[in-house]
Amino acid sequence: NAGVTQTPKFRILKIGQSMTLQCTQDMNHNYMYWYRQDPGMGLKLIYYSVGAGITDKGEVPNGYNVSRSTTEDFPLRLELAAPSQTSVYFCATRPTGEYEQYFGPGTRLTVT
Amino acid sequence: TQLLEQSPQFLSIQEGENLTVYCNSSSVFSSLQWYRQEPGEGPVLLVTVVTGGEVKKLKRLTFQFGDARKDSSLHITAAQPGDTGLYLCAGARYSGGSNYKLTFGKGTLLTVNP
Repeated sequence: NAGVTQTPKFRILKIGQSMTLQCTQDMNHNYMYWYRQDPGMGLKLIYYSVGAGITDKGEVPNGYNVSRSTTEDFPLRLELAAPSQTSVYFCATRPTGEYEQYFGPGTRLTVT
Repeated sequence: TQLLEQSPQFLSIQEGENLTVYCNSSSVFSSLQWYRQEPGEGPVLLVTVVTGGEVKKLKRLTFQFGDARKDSSLHITAAQPGDTGLYLCAGARYSGGSNYKLTFGKGTLLTVNP
């Protein structure tokens, strides 16, 4: 099992460009999460999903969109990238009834 | 937003020393999780504590959840260079059904020198 995979690993965007960060899991977990991690700031929740077709906002959703058409995939879309979106983005999953979240390796995004 | 304050933010010690990392909040959490993160990787769960006053041991690591479920500590005995990493605490608050959201502390960056 690959667990949680994220692509790309690194990306540089110009201000105003858009992109999609991909997250795929093969563990059949219902819950999926997107976090961003800024230096010295811990992880902040952007969006989450409790199952296919259901998504909801987290703590810092502005500037992002998500979709969850399948159990496996939970892409994060950035429209009109801004320097404030420079960060490391982590996708995580969690099986129903358990506490542990399983994190992907992250995508390091720089907006200049 | 429920805040989790971690201290210290940075810690550099020699191999063999003991250390304690603290995680404090004014809010009550359903459970408290500790993660360890290495450079270029995602966080990996070390332990979850659920009951107030609970103590869990994982080899040289001892985790404690405060009686009021507002604070937690991580104690490492005889630290080794392999313990180097970013230690994150995260408090869970349930938001309906089996869904919960995690609030993360800012982390403690531990360096253990040989």
